[in-house]
Amino acid sequence: DVQLVESGGGLAQPGRSLRLSCTVSGFTLGDYAMSWFRQAPGEGLEWVSFVRSKAYGGTTEYAASVKGRFTISRDDSKSIGYLQVSSLKTEDTAVYYCTRVVVLPYYYMDVWGKGTTVTVSS
Amino acid sequence: DIQMTQSPSSVSASVGDRVTITCRASQDVSTFLTWYQQKPGKAPKLLIYGASSLQSGVPSRFSGSGSGTDFTLTISSLQPEDFATYYCQQANRFPLTFGGGTKVEI
Repeated sequence: DVQLVESGGGLAQPGRSLRLSCTVSGFTLGDYAMSWFRQAPGEGLEWVSFVRSKAYGGTTEYAASVKGRFTISRDDSKSIGYLQVSSLKTEDTAVYYCTRVVVLPYYYMDVWGKGTTVTVSS
Repeated sequence: DIQMTQSPSSVSASVGDRVTITCRASQDVSTFLTWYQQKPGKAPKLLIYGASSLQSGVPSRFSGSGSGTDFTLTISSLQPEDFATYYCQQANRFPLTFGGGTKVEI
């Protein structure tokens, strides 16, 4: 069964950091791109970050709202993706989802994890 | 950034109804358009990719159409399990952007 499981969320004070993990199973992480999304309470979906597979250079993309504060990475040997969230703001409070990304012939997120909740509050 | 506008924001419908949701992009996204379904407290689920390709395992009552800037998601005969919020998303260029969602309710 293809599965993605997020972990690492929790309560953090403004300005602090967390590292979110996305552990995958049922497929070879190295064959896919990965992306993170988030959803603030009662709000819609927001794309956060994207990392290409090594075959496509492993390069990254970020939403403007998190660029310079969040870092996406991947360890294909461990089948884990990461999102380092730093300099947290209250507006970063959300459920964070990791996804598997199919890139050919279209970009789309075909498998989503169940999410991990990040709450930023003093 | 490409803005995605969905309409309506909510729709009241009954089991068996045909429901149509539209999504408009602020610029041409070709067919790089995806539809997701989300139920309360759950992760989004992929329904349609490439504007009109049905994801494996998704019932055939769901269909998508359109290209360029105007897209449609149609549920041909609404079932009880279809009451949810639906989002369109463009993947033509970064940043990836979503429509505001359409809540389908009784």
